[in-house]
Amino acid sequence: RKEVEQDPGPFNVPEGATVAFNCTYSNSASQSFFWYRQDCRKEPKLLMSVYSSGNEDGRFTAQLNRASQYISLLIRDSKLSDSATYLCVVTGRKDSSYKLIFGSGTRLLVRP
Amino acid sequence: DTAVSQTPKYLVTQMGNDKSIKCEQNLGHDTMYWYKQDSKKFLKIMFSYNNKELIINETVPNRFSPKSPDKAHLNLHINSLELGDSAVYFCASSQDRKSGARETQYFGPGTRLLVL
Repeated sequence: RKEVEQDPGPFNVPEGATVAFNCTYSNSASQSFFWYRQDCRKEPKLLMSVYSSGNEDGRFTAQLNRASQYISLLIRDSKLSDSATYLCVVTGRKDSSYKLIFGSGTRLLVRP
Repeated sequence: DTAVSQTPKYLVTQMGNDKSIKCEQNLGHDTMYWYKQDSKKFLKIMFSYNNKELIINETVPNRFSPKSPDKAHLNLHINSLELGDSAVYFCASSQDRKSGARETQYFGPGTRLLVL
């Protein structure tokens, strides 16, 4: 089983639509959770951290369900510029350090 | 100003050659990383250095040798390149490894390596 699993998509939605991505992780000891965004042929960039209480940043809402080991990202009022791959990321422990474990990403295409 | 820079951006080489990729960060961060993103788009950590000290080494063939001359630089040398080494290699940095789990990692633009 992969440590972080995501639906690869693509999700093809019209501008203005609401779209949700889900992600599951296998290690119940994971402590921190993030969504990163990666544009085509570019580097990943942090979109937002995910907190247990859920958090919102403009049109983006992230939620965490520790019991189900499940993370979600909701994008409201999709823009063309939201087209990208969204990477679900959790932390894993390696000796005394932490490492990021990435899902393979969910691709979003927003059409006019 | 580029926060995390890598050179070269593209690298095309023959099997069996030795090559190096350089990474520099001007963010004043203590921790730097090398990641590999394969054709299936999985981004996987290879190494992590904190203030020139190796702290993570993820089951990577010993043909791959990272070198950190100072905390702002982390280079990756690859010996005897194989076809399977073809991938995009990303360098990244974060402020501190202990709280790095909660801190943003800043990625370089990537080096696209193609081994023929």
